[in-house]
This record gives sequence, structure tokens and C-alpha cells, in this order.
Amino acid sequence: AQRVTQPEKLLSVFKGAPVELKCNYSYSGSPELFWYVQYSRQRLQLLLRHISRESIKGFTADLNKGETSFHLKKPFAQEEDSAMYYCALQSKAAGNKLTFGGGTRVLVKP
Amino acid sequence: DAGVIQSPRHEVTEMGQEVTLRCKPISGHNSLFWYRQTMMRGLELLIYFNNNVPIDDSGMPEDRFSAKMPNASFSTLKIQPSEPRDSAVYFCASSLVPQPQHFGDGTRLSIL
Repeated sequence: AQRVTQPEKLLSVFKGAPVELKCNYSYSGSPELFWYVQYSRQRLQLLLRHISRESIKGFTADLNKGETSFHLKKPFAQEEDSAMYYCALQSKAAGNKLTFGGGTRVLVKP
Repeated sequence: DAGVIQSPRHEVTEMGQEVTLRCKPISGHNSLFWYRQTMMRGLELLIYFNNNVPIDDSGMPEDRFSAKMPNASFSTLKIQPSEPRDSAVYFCASSLVPQPQHFGDGTRLSIL
């Protein structure tokens, strides 16, 4: 069975400080991992996917297969980064359905 | 493209009533997913379709819930009869496998 764990429900940081959101997964196959962001009362939006290896809005995430992690990082948080962040795992074996973590709420204080 | 379109955006109804949520996926996408979001349980996959065929409905809470996809451009999620514990935000998402899923704005459902 596949599982995604986000251990922090809430992260509160000051503007300009680094922020790291943790994501760990369990999956027997070769995973495809994503970060989605949900701003207040809006739809979920794709932020990053691990195969793209790109930086979006200053965020990066590296897949560490040894530690089964896909942590999201940003060196200097901005107030507009305040949102709910979800880590998700996609399984080709399961019809490409997504399994989401519980989400981490990020609050960036001025 | 207008993206995934869900209707209604908000629904308030009394328990026992039938509720129908609608979703129009992005044109050309071949997979459609229904999710439920609550404070207690987070995001849960209810059911998904590939090429209009239901593939996995193991997340559907109980027989009161049903979903259909009569064609590639329309899907419904129905709750009958509705109960207060069904109150949640329901999201529809679509994708062209294996590309990422695109989500709609959601339907905020309140059952009184």
C-alpha cells in the first residue's frame, strides 16, 4: 500500500526565513511525487513534480529514494507563500491515482 | 481552456435531500477524479474514471454515494439521502494520463 506522511500540520515562519516542509512516502514501486498548493479557499494547484526538477516560486524539492522523502524548501519565505501544501504520490500501477498527505499549513508572518 | 468546471460552487440543503454535484473535465483529458476534503480527514479520493469507466470506487463512503460519467465531458457525484456528516468540500480533477491532475474550484456542501 502507498502512503504519504506530512508530519507537520502547521509551520509558522517569519518573512525572509527559510522554510522546509517534510514529506515521507512508502511505496514499493518507482514513485512519482508532487507538491500541490492551496491558497485560501481556492483550488489545488500543482506546484512541483519531481521529474521536472525545476524551481517554482522559489520552491525546490528533491526526491531522496534512500530516505523515501520529498521535502519542499524555500530559502526566503514570503507572505504570499501562506497556504496549505500537500505532498502527493502518483502510482502508475493504481491507474495514476494520487495519494495525498495530510497537508501542512504554512503561515508566513511579517 | 477554462479548466475543470464544477457546479454548484456552494450548496446548502437539509438532511435527507438528494444532492448532485457536477463536473466538466478539461477537454481531451481521459481521467477524472472525485475527492472530498474535510478538516478531520484531509483530502480523500472517492472514485476515479479512466475513459469514462469507473476504475476504483473503494473510497466511496457508502451506498448513499454514487458517481457517473456518461460521456467524456461530464460527470456527476450524487448523495442520496444526504446527512450532516457529508458536509465537506468536494473537488473534481482531471488529467491526461500520465500528466498531473488539474483541479476544479470545488463545491462547498453544507447539510443542515
